[in-house]
Amino acid sequence: AQSVTQPDIHITVSEGASLELRCNYSYGATPYLFWYVQSPGQGLQLLLKYFSGDTLVQGIKGFEAEFKRSQSSFNLRKPSVHWSDAAEYFCAVRGGGADGLTFGKGTHLIIQP
Amino acid sequence: ETGVTQSPTHLIKTRGQQVTLRCSSQSGHNTVSWYQQALGQGPQFIFQYYREEENGRGNFPPRFSGLQFPNYSSELNVNALELNDSALYLCASSLAGGWEQYFGPGTRLTVT
Repeated sequence: AQSVTQPDIHITVSEGASLELRCNYSYGATPYLFWYVQSPGQGLQLLLKYFSGDTLVQGIKGFEAEFKRSQSSFNLRKPSVHWSDAAEYFCAVRGGGADGLTFGKGTHLIIQP
Repeated sequence: ETGVTQSPTHLIKTRGQQVTLRCSSQSGHNTVSWYQQALGQGPQFIFQYYREEENGRGNFPPRFSGLQFPNYSSELNVNALELNDSALYLCASSLAGGWEQYFGPGTRLTVT
């Protein structure tokens, strides 16, 4: 069965600083990988996805992520964070067929002024 | 283009009761999935519907059931509510064979 680990429960970053959120997955074949963001009391918004091809993928809101098969990782990055980026971030993996998404427990991002 | 909508926004039920949550898929999407998100956790997959049939299920008991209608809207039914059913319930829609899922705002269920 697939699984996702997000090692950091909370991360605090100063506004304007760079950001990297870690994600490690476990899946037997080539995974379909996603990053979602959730603001308080809201649903999930898709930031970016990796299916195949170029291992560096660009998403919305200036986010990017890099797939590294050798490390089973799919880390999310942003060069300069804004106060509006404060939210909960979820990494997810999906296998084949009618399997749903398997999510990590999330990383809570706090932006310091 | 209309996104995924869910109703109601909030709901309070008593242990042992039954509840029905509703979801309207994004326009053109014919597959719907439901997730349970407990406080402080990531969402957990409950089941998926395609062409009005359940075609995938996570590790949830049979008292969690669903329906999908010809217009692709969907219901999640939970019988014999337990206290730990308290959670945010998220609906997501996608195109058949598509890997991207688009989520609604969720229904917050509180069981007392």
